[in-house]
Amino acid sequence: KNEVEQSPQNLTAQEGEFITINCSYSVGISALHWLQQHPGGGIVSLFMLSSGKKKHGRLIATINIQEKHSSLHITASHPRDSAVYICAVRGRSGGSNYKLTFGKGTLLTVNP
Amino acid sequence: DSGVTQTPKHLITATGQRVTLRCSPRSGDLSVYWYQQSLDQGLQFLIQYYNGEERAKGNILERFSAQQFPDLHSELNLSSLELGDSALYFCASSAGTGGTSGVTDTQYFGPGTRLTVL
Repeated sequence: KNEVEQSPQNLTAQEGEFITINCSYSVGISALHWLQQHPGGGIVSLFMLSSGKKKHGRLIATINIQEKHSSLHITASHPRDSAVYICAVRGRSGGSNYKLTFGKGTLLTVNP
Repeated sequence: DSGVTQTPKHLITATGQRVTLRCSPRSGDLSVYWYQQSLDQGLQFLIQYYNGEERAKGNILERFSAQQFPDLHSELNLSSLELGDSALYFCASSAGTGGTSGVTDTQYFGPGTRLTVL
């Protein structure tokens, strides 16, 4: 079992829909990252969370430390949101404190 | 443009060879991270340097090594290359050490180097 599980693996939506991507992890963490990778390959860091909720434009990320779960929401989705969204966690203790472990990503396609 | 540069963009080489990938972090960033992205393994953390010193090690093979120079640029050396080393190699930089301590430490990714081993 992977330490970081994302769901769904693939998601197709119509423009304007509300999108939710989920990330569950099995280890203690110090922080969780959401990344976006566009078809051309470039990676952008969207959020880093250690608790609560963060919002940037149409993107909202939440984390529940007790339940070891995070969600990424996209409101009013747009075709330009089409990308792979990757969840990554940073370890909490000792030498693993700075190591990032990645989920396999969620491929989002937003149709016009 | 993230401000992180990587060279070369593409590299094609043969098995058994050695290559060097280069990364220049954003101005002022002290941490450099190296990642490998392959089709079957996804993104994997290789190694992190902070201000010239190794900070964290991930799934980096013994055939691979890295260093960060006094001007903070970093190089990833891959030797005795195998077909399975074909992947996208990303470098990222951040201002701090990468730990939380209440500080947001966003990582800025470079465009990547696509390595093809034939």
